[in-house]
Amino acid sequence: GPKVLQIPSHQIIDMGQMVTLNCDPVSNHLYFYWYKQILGQQMEFLVNFYNGKVMEKSKLFKDQFSVERPDGSYFTLKIQPTALEDSAVYFCASSSGDISYEQYFGPGTRLTVL
Amino acid sequence: GEQVEQLPSILRVQERSSASINCTYENSASNYFPWYKQEPGENPKLIIDIRSNMERKQIQGLIVLLDKKAKRFSLHITDTQPADSAMYFCAASTGYQNFYFGKGTSLTVIP
Repeated sequence: GPKVLQIPSHQIIDMGQMVTLNCDPVSNHLYFYWYKQILGQQMEFLVNFYNGKVMEKSKLFKDQFSVERPDGSYFTLKIQPTALEDSAVYFCASSSGDISYEQYFGPGTRLTVL
Repeated sequence: GEQVEQLPSILRVQERSSASINCTYENSASNYFPWYKQEPGENPKLIIDIRSNMERKQIQGLIVLLDKKAKRFSLHITDTQPADSAMYFCAASTGYQNFYFGKGTSLTVIP
């Protein structure tokens, strides 16, 4: 089936540094999402993105977070600067914009902030 | 934002019995209710979903029920197998907006 790819699978950085998480969504999909999952807990919505714009973001989407998808390349989540509480698995998802609402999830990036 | 409550958080059943997970939601505009299965270290995978124009949907041994008046939906796994052991998440959505997930149910099927 359709696959969402995420790069890298793991990232370890020092607090205060910048990190960029990359997502390669399903090729004909139009809607893109980031979710945050702390170990053993539910996935929590961060942001969704459509037509080059943030459509909705949650209170977890702090000012240090930003997203973009320049020219149809990777859909990225940038955190600058990082904080200890940003340690989590970040899942990217995409959906097509046709009558199916299904969101396809990538394998996640495990971010560890030291 | 939307709150989705999911119970139970832990569920252990004997092989070949059924397992049921229940979710409630707040936003009456929610119209799409997917269920995801997540194995350790893996991404969540859609196993079944239901839209607000339906009350029941079955795919093989998976049954979902939706009660819009009560804002409640449920997943029933019949004839469980050890391979069904995983985390299960319900979610509620208004279409292409974000999913609001429940806190998950850890299902263990005992051989």
